[in-house]
Amino acid sequence: DTEVTQTPKHLVMGMTNKKSLKCEQHMGHRAMYWYKQKAKKPPELMFVYSYEKLSINESVPSRFSPECPNSSLLNLHLHALQPEDSALYLCASSQEGEPWETQYFGPGTRLLVL
Amino acid sequence: GQQVMQIPQYQHVQEGEDFTTYCNSSTTLSNIQWYKQRPGGHPVFLIQLVKSGEVKKQKRLTFQFGEAKKNSSLHITATQTTDVGTYFCAGPRGGYQKVTFGTGTKLQVIP
Repeated sequence: DTEVTQTPKHLVMGMTNKKSLKCEQHMGHRAMYWYKQKAKKPPELMFVYSYEKLSINESVPSRFSPECPNSSLLNLHLHALQPEDSALYLCASSQEGEPWETQYFGPGTRLLVL
Repeated sequence: GQQVMQIPQYQHVQEGEDFTTYCNSSTTLSNIQWYKQRPGGHPVFLIQLVKSGEVKKQKRLTFQFGEAKKNSSLHITATQTTDVGTYFCAGPRGGYQKVTFGTGTKLQVIP
């Protein structure tokens, strides 16, 4: 099974709302990633978790809060977002987090902030 | 910082024509990966190149890594409508766990 699942597929939220994005993989991968992708742009790395510990935060605003409850799950908590945060949020996983490994992407959550 | 540029940004081809996208990095890469993202979809891994001058083929797709390991190309022979999508190259950035995606080339195939 090489599948990464993400919920919800679509999300509309106001600037005062709190919501969470969820990601799950059952490939036994120990590295999990959050990417943000704006229209017609490449994915941009936000966070990396390695062995359930946050290893990389690409200077992401604190209104985005990642969480890794266990090795299969990755959450992204959203609070007080801005309209410019509207984007496709992609979760990915890889074996150990080495840059030569294949990253398996989930289908993404399309987020619209009003 | 590291930049990974791809050209062209967009390409429209008639079905059956060939297509090539080029990836250029401002720094030497230890390896390069290629991903395909269909419209409305997510990036899907295609291949990884590691050695200088390496050439790999997948059916109608030919991938090449430059001798200086700063550039790469993807060539599709006789495009089909199923080839439609955006092709990204990606390379390691700064070391452990960081990968930078190229700017992407969007391919449209006209039947």
